[in-house]
Amino acid sequence: QVQLQESGPGLVKPSQTLSLTCTVSGGSISSGGYYWSWIRQHPGKGLEWIGYIYYSGSTYYNPSLKSRVTISVDTSKNQFSLKLSSVTAADTAVYYCALVVVITRTVDYWGQGTLVTVSS
Amino acid sequence: EIVLTQSPGTLSLSPGERATLSCRASQSVSSSYLAWYQQKPGQAPRLLIYGASSRATGIPDRFSGSGSGTDFTLTISRLEPEDFAVYYCQQYGSSPGIFTFGPGTKVDIK
Repeated sequence: QVQLQESGPGLVKPSQTLSLTCTVSGGSISSGGYYWSWIRQHPGKGLEWIGYIYYSGSTYYNPSLKSRVTISVDTSKNQFSLKLSSVTAADTAVYYCALVVVITRTVDYWGQGTLVTVSS
Repeated sequence: EIVLTQSPGTLSLSPGERATLSCRASQSVSSSYLAWYQQKPGQAPRLLIYGASSRATGIPDRFSGSGSGTDFTLTISRLEPEDFAVYYCQQYGSSPGIFTFGPGTKVDIK
């Protein structure tokens, strides 16, 4: 059973870079067949896809966030990370890391989510 | 970019009743890549249906999905107390390779 756990600061100042890490257990991030993903949910709102990375390093980002997003993977630590630059209050949200199964293009596993607040 | 619209926004029903939730796409979606999720307060979403009509592992058979093209439906045949939650549809479009979610339908107790 794969488990995902987000970690990182819960408070980020405006204009700074939000950085989160997802630690994967119960499975190898180097194995194919999965997209390692980030999804966010603004308070009381719906779900927004941020982007994903394949084990090979190839990435895809939501066009609305593409200029500010970087997703990377550290296979030695079985982790993948999110960086979102130039944040504003509009980036305040619960951030989930997630495992997408390539064959079905579904999110089969989710982290518990971490609230990141952008405020001075 | 494909936009998903869900209706109704809120569905007020009693336990034991049938719930019918709609997900409409702005253009045709591959049925292979249409999924439904359930989210309860304070929890991450849970996959219910994939490929428009296949139940995910461990999902009770009171949940069923159907549809094709631009119109998809999630049906809960008889609502159990634990089914009151928010439901999202999600699609993957290969050109470009983007995932999108609908805005959600809240099923609450009447």
